[in-house]
Amino acid sequence: QKEVEQDPGPLSVPEGAIVSLNCTYSNSAFQYFMWYRQYSRKGPELLMYTYSSGNKEDGRFTAQVDKSSKYISLFIRDSQPSDSATYLCAMSGGGAGSYQLTFGKGTKLSVIP
Amino acid sequence: DAMVIQNPRYQVTQFGKPVTLSCSQTLNHNVMYWYQQKSSQAPKLLFHYYDKDFNNEADTPDNFQSRRPNTSFCFLDIRSPGLGDAAMYLCATSSPDRGYQETQYFGPGTRLLVL
Repeated sequence: QKEVEQDPGPLSVPEGAIVSLNCTYSNSAFQYFMWYRQYSRKGPELLMYTYSSGNKEDGRFTAQVDKSSKYISLFIRDSQPSDSATYLCAMSGGGAGSYQLTFGKGTKLSVIP
Repeated sequence: DAMVIQNPRYQVTQFGKPVTLSCSQTLNHNVMYWYQQKSSQAPKLLFHYYDKDFNNEADTPDNFQSRRPNTSFCFLDIRSPGLGDAAMYLCATSSPDRGYQETQYFGPGTRLLVL
């Protein structure tokens, strides 16, 4: 079993739809959870960052972490064509001993005008 | 703006011809990472520096080397590039000892083509 599982898609939605992206993980030591957005042929860009369980909202984006289920989600409201990208989840245990990130494979999203 | 800069953005080299990719950062982060990313795959960590301490991933080929002459700069050397080394190379930084800054900040990447 891989440490982080993420459906690679591709996922196509019409403009204005609510998008739900998810990752599951197996390592209960993970405490820091991130979502990166990567446009084609560009470097990943940090989108959302959450510590431990709970929700975090930033504009049209909401990140949710459920540590009891080892499940994280990213919701995009009122999706736009500019949201078309690959979304990578990433996580770490934190601290000097486990600061490296473990990535999911990424979900490719296309928002159709 | 504080950032991670990679040069060049595109690099074409010949099979077996050494190539060096560079990364610089103005974030003053103490950890710098090099990743290899192939199409439709997650970034794969090659190695990283925690301050001056070099940490190599077990499955990183010997063909890949790195140097970090100071806090701001880090280089990736590919001694004898093969066709399978064609990929996007990503540099990232973080500062885990600052507690809250567990995230990594990525540069724009260098796309390497091997002919």
